[in-house]
Amino acid sequence: SQQGEEDPQALSIQEGENATMNCSYKTSINNLQWYRQNSGRGLVHLILIRSNEREKHSGRLRVTLDTSKKSSSLLITASRAADTASYFCATEAGGTSYGKLTFGQGTILTVHP
Amino acid sequence: DAMVIQNPRYQVTQFGKPVTLSCSQTLNHNVMYWYQQKSSQAPKLLFHYYDKDFNNEADTPDNFQSRRPNTSFCFLDIRSPGLGDAAMYLCATRGTAGLHIQFDEQFFGPGTRLTVL
Repeated sequence: SQQGEEDPQALSIQEGENATMNCSYKTSINNLQWYRQNSGRGLVHLILIRSNEREKHSGRLRVTLDTSKKSSSLLITASRAADTASYFCATEAGGTSYGKLTFGQGTILTVHP
Repeated sequence: DAMVIQNPRYQVTQFGKPVTLSCSQTLNHNVMYWYQQKSSQAPKLLFHYYDKDFNNEADTPDNFQSRRPNTSFCFLDIRSPGLGDAAMYLCATRGTAGLHIQFDEQFFGPGTRLTVL
């Protein structure tokens, strides 16, 4: 069964606005990663946050992780039309699941020019 | 540029006719993964190779098999495709160092979209 659930399922905003996507998961993790997928294409790694980290930044991206609530959020600031894509969170657990990612259902982001 | 390449990008097959999807990588990564992604769903791991060691997910149907003849290439064989196997198939790689996986990011190919008629 899938580890992560994302919300919202779809998000529509205007260019320049911020976009926030949330991810929840069920079991303990080593790290949580966010990937982007343009329509009909492969996934591109955006950012990774480890279980002992609470916040991480990369350019216009900000990721938070709350392991007590088993949740993460991805914030894209000053969005652009080119940010239109699906965004997936993926968790990597430890033990026998080490090295394997379990993806959430994804959030479809549409940024209107 | 180092990358993950998948061929073909689009594959059409008939119900029950075997099909092979290929993935190659120039990253020299030890680990290669195959994911299945159905429309509007999350990618689902089918299996992965750590070097030549094959690791099958418990719920991957027997209809799906894989081969990795060398570091660069990995193949996904679907022995008897059904209508439910229509999906995007994604190949990914991951670099390692020594015995322990050191690099966390997975590098994905563009995917092969499989249509079953």
